[in-house]
Amino acid sequence: QSALTQPPSASGSPGQSVTISCTGTSSDVGTYNYVSWYQQHPGKAPKLMIYEVSKRPSGVPDRFSGSKSGNTASLTVSGLQAEDEADYFCSSDAGRNNVLFGGGTKLTVL
Amino acid sequence: QVQLVQSGAEVKKPGASVKVSCKASGYIFTGYYIHWVRQAPGQGLEWMGWINPNSGATNYAQKFQGRVTMTRDTSINTVYMELSRLRSDDTAVYYCARDLGWSRLLGGMDVWGQGTPVTVSS
Repeated sequence: QSALTQPPSASGSPGQSVTISCTGTSSDVGTYNYVSWYQQHPGKAPKLMIYEVSKRPSGVPDRFSGSKSGNTASLTVSGLQAEDEADYFCSSDAGRNNVLFGGGTKLTVL
Repeated sequence: QVQLVQSGAEVKKPGASVKVSCKASGYIFTGYYIHWVRQAPGQGLEWMGWINPNSGATNYAQKFQGRVTMTRDTSINTVYMELSRLRSDDTAVYYCARDLGWSRLLGGMDVWGQGTPVTVSS
């Protein structure tokens, strides 16, 4: 199985919104609603930001939202803040309880 | 508080094995699956597999089948990941992470260990 496809980079100015895509296939993103998004700052462990496509864990700001259409999931960060600058990874159930990650997107706050 | 604490950094020679531990605390150990995920330097996340601490059942990514073994010791709330026949491209930070589903897999990993750097070099 190939990794899910994410753009290598994304950027936006403070206060703006940015959307990061995560494209899979009908065998993973397109079939399962178990899509998650993680934020990772340099040298730190990943942090869960979104699960089951659009649910936010307790403590995650509502500026972060997730959605899915067909084989592509998306993470939107609204009202960009400096601390949102990080790497973002998507993941999806890939069948038979396997997990597939995306290649990651580096978000830069200009 | 809920946490996963991993063992320390390892340096291994090619062909050797490494065993990384992940000790859970602050929650019911047998109620949540544990995933293992690795990250090579400057690279993305790679899922290696999961273990059900209650039953001991495992599921490994096809890439690692035959080389990885995940086990648990419920008496000390610890899971282990052993990777054998190490190669230089196994150099990575290895993370354990808890699946947020109670007694089931939801794929979302809500608690992560601090990571264990493993270096494979002759």
